Amino acid sequence: AQSVAQPEDQVNVAEGNPLTVKCTYSVSGNPYLFWYVQYPNRGLQFLLKYITGDNLVKGSYGFEAEFNKSQTSFHLKKPSALVSDSALYFCAVRPYGQNFVFGPGTRLSVLP
Amino acid sequence: NAGVTQTPKFQVLKTGQSMTLQCAQDMNHNSMYWYRQDPGMGLRLIYYSASEGTTDKGEVPNGYNVSRLNKREFSLRLESAAPSQTSVYFCASTYTKDEQFFGPGTRLTVL
Repeated sequence: AQSVAQPEDQVNVAEGNPLTVKCTYSVSGNPYLFWYVQYPNRGLQFLLKYITGDNLVKGSYGFEAEFNKSQTSFHLKKPSALVSDSALYFCAVRPYGQNFVFGPGTRLSVLP
Repeated sequence: NAGVTQTPKFQVLKTGQSMTLQCAQDMNHNSMYWYRQDPGMGLRLIYYSASEGTTDKGEVPNGYNVSRLNKREFSLRLESAAPSQTSVYFCASTYTKDEQFFGPGTRLTVL
């Protein structure tokens, strides 16, 4: 079965520190990879995606993600966290020709 | 350009009542989706429509029906609501390999 894991339910980080939100996946082939963010009482907003090419992709709001094919991981990173980054983050994969598969989400809290 | 819109934003139903959730997109996307979001479970696909005139079941279709009214609109119907259908429902649309665009969600409570 195809699946996406986000091993941490919650990540706490101090403002100004770097943050990492982890994602690993188990799907066939070479999927497209995505990160979304959800603020309270809002829909999901697209942050970034990996289709092919450079393993480090840059996205909105200063976020970036590193694709590692051998570890089937796609970790979300930001060099310096802001309190306003506090939200729920979802990793998603899209196997070729198939529907999206979402992870369970990781709640990020950035402490002032 | 409103993106993906959903109505209503909130709804409270009694067990056995029916309702239809409406979704529309103005981005000329071919594919549209209905998800439910429950705590700790991420998003689960209920139904999707790869193109106008087609619909298919997702991961959790039981108790739901859908209609792809035209390219813009994709509705989700609960014929006889159950407490287990209490959830937040999201509609989304996309091109082939691009990211999905999500609506603001409908928060449904079934008593």
